[in-house]
Amino acid sequence: DTAVSQTPKYLVTQMGNDKSIKCEQNLGHDTMYWYKQDSKKFLKIMFSYNNKELIINETVPNRFSPKSPDKAHLNLHINSLELGDSAVYFCASSRGTSVVGEQFFGPGTRLTVL
Amino acid sequence: AQKITQTQPGMFVQEKEAVTLDCTYDTSDPSYGLFWYKQPSSGEMIFLIYQGSYDQQNATEGRYSLNFQKARKSANLVISASQLGDSAMYFCAMREAQTGANNLFFGTGTRLTVIP
Repeated sequence: DTAVSQTPKYLVTQMGNDKSIKCEQNLGHDTMYWYKQDSKKFLKIMFSYNNKELIINETVPNRFSPKSPDKAHLNLHINSLELGDSAVYFCASSRGTSVVGEQFFGPGTRLTVL
Repeated sequence: AQKITQTQPGMFVQEKEAVTLDCTYDTSDPSYGLFWYKQPSSGEMIFLIYQGSYDQQNATEGRYSLNFQKARKSANLVISASQLGDSAMYFCAMREAQTGANNLFFGTGTRLTVIP
């Protein structure tokens, strides 16, 4: 009965490959997010989806594309992987768009690009 | 400018003692929320405590309390009676209302080590 799940947990791949990370939440939330945590542990927002619509897109290269087939899923597709993409990627969800209420995080996906 | 500043890269505390982790924030939005998350070595992000900008009282959750000083724009986390399991990274974060973006802005974190 995991609230926010991500697959895979670990992803090791070569430069230039295309990969996807899947995220699902069973909390009935209507806003989902992708965050990137770099090697210095700094967490930064990449994307946010509210009711399947992209509502922010920080300065992320267009090699990264979020895909939300429905309210419970927000997948992250990455084209032409680069060494600098190595990081931990967290999916999160929250109820609504208010400042109140925590975001629930998935367990993270550690991506290593060789 | 950084929206969230955590000036303590690392902190040590003796088991059973209290510890304060500092957090200052920068916003012109009158409506915002402040959050603390814990990240143990296993990597998951665990929500600890929330404080709203309009809340009159400091938030408390078990051994966690938030020392909210609005005029100083600080939201320090106080952990009482530290336990070995409290050793982790702690992140302060903020969400603003007016941006409509809903995302959290995180600080750089503080690594807390509890000494037996």
